[in-house]
Amino acid sequence: DTGVSQNPRHKITKRGQNVTFRCDPISEHNRLYWYRQTLGQGPEFLTYFQNEAQLEKSRLLSDRFSAERPKGSFSTLEIQRTEQGDSAMYLCASSFDQGIAFFGQGTRLTVV
Amino acid sequence: SQQGEEDPQALSIQEGENATMNCSYKTSINNLQWYRQNSGRGLVHLILIRSNEREKHSGRLRVTLDTSKKSSSLLITASRAADTASYFCATVQGAQKLVFGQGTRLTINP
Repeated sequence: DTGVSQNPRHKITKRGQNVTFRCDPISEHNRLYWYRQTLGQGPEFLTYFQNEAQLEKSRLLSDRFSAERPKGSFSTLEIQRTEQGDSAMYLCASSFDQGIAFFGQGTRLTVV
Repeated sequence: SQQGEEDPQALSIQEGENATMNCSYKTSINNLQWYRQNSGRGLVHLILIRSNEREKHSGRLRVTLDTSKKSSSLLITASRAADTASYFCATVQGAQKLVFGQGTRLTINP
């Protein structure tokens, strides 16, 4: 297993467009997290899954954001009608229960 | 909102010196984890300390946990230029999510 994989690594989009990111976790991990990080800040929690169930979604997250994890495997994070404030690094991590979280390299989104 | 608060926000020391970073949190936890992040990269796990542990070592890293004060410290001994990075603490509350602090930016000057 090569660890957590995120695609794409970089995404530039025009304001108002929809974007979708993918995360492939470590295969035996049942938890999958999505975080957003802006320059100089810590990772901000967005949502997390236990297997295929989405257990929590940040109240800071608008309804333009949606995440799925079909069959408890890979996950997608979609942002609809992107805004310039959505520009950030989007990080995915996976773990087994409350154990060590392994992170992907992130997807850097730039909204122009 | 973030659970952990790191202190200091930034730290600059000479190579060879020890670096100490602190983390405070608000609620009861199952465990506390420390991560490192090099500029523009993903986070790398350093060490996990459980709520019933008080101290843990890993190489040049030493982590302490004081659950009565809801605080933890990370000590890096004999620092090297390659230790330059941001360091984050993260806590797991109950069976819930992993929550990060704002981090300490550590700079090791050669």
